[in-house]
Amino acid sequence: DTAVSQTPKYLVTQMGNDKSIKCEQNLGHDTMYWYKQDSKKFLKIMFSYNNKELIINETVPNRFSPKSPDKAHLNLHINSLELGDSAVYFCASSQDPGPSTDTQYFGPGTRLTVL
Amino acid sequence: DQQVKQNSPSLSVQEGRISILNCDYTNSMFDYFLWYKKYPAEGPTFLISISSIKDKNEDGRFTVFLNKSAKHLSLHIVPSQPGDSAVYFCAASGGTGKLIFGQGTTLQVKP
Repeated sequence: DTAVSQTPKYLVTQMGNDKSIKCEQNLGHDTMYWYKQDSKKFLKIMFSYNNKELIINETVPNRFSPKSPDKAHLNLHINSLELGDSAVYFCASSQDPGPSTDTQYFGPGTRLTVL
Repeated sequence: DQQVKQNSPSLSVQEGRISILNCDYTNSMFDYFLWYKKYPAEGPTFLISISSIKDKNEDGRFTVFLNKSAKHLSLHIVPSQPGDSAVYFCAASGGTGKLIFGQGTTLQVKP
């Protein structure tokens, strides 16, 4: 019974295309996140939503737009894909973004390859 | 500016021995630290955490030590098992919900 799931697991596309990655969590958490793991394996936060409200927005190009239809879902839409967008994207969720003792749980990742 | 650093990219230990993974941080505002384990083609899995008000937290074979004055934490795995072979990420939080990750250490436990 998957706690945080992402689709698709692999995504190969051409430069300039628009694509979306979907994330769902069944943990009943209030907060969801998107992270990017680049070619150097660094995991960096991109966005965070709490109860459908954007609370963290790192310096990410505005071609990336998160959308949260409800608190169990956080999708990532990417416009005009570029070669540098190739990475593994991880979705995560946690109960509450406030307390420092909050633990985030990650999905399996989506490997995006832009040709 | 890398606020969380794992200076050892890899570590190899013999099965049954102790594995010690290290992590350093620079931001004194961090007050919660976590270790995640990651297998290839999977997401990071939460392993163990520690609040800055403690200096040790233990969970079975895994113990995390925190030295606030040195801004250093370590993960001890005793005894190490081949199934522990994975990439281990250290992460830190300052209460904003934003986790800052180190670059990971690949642990190989040899049978």
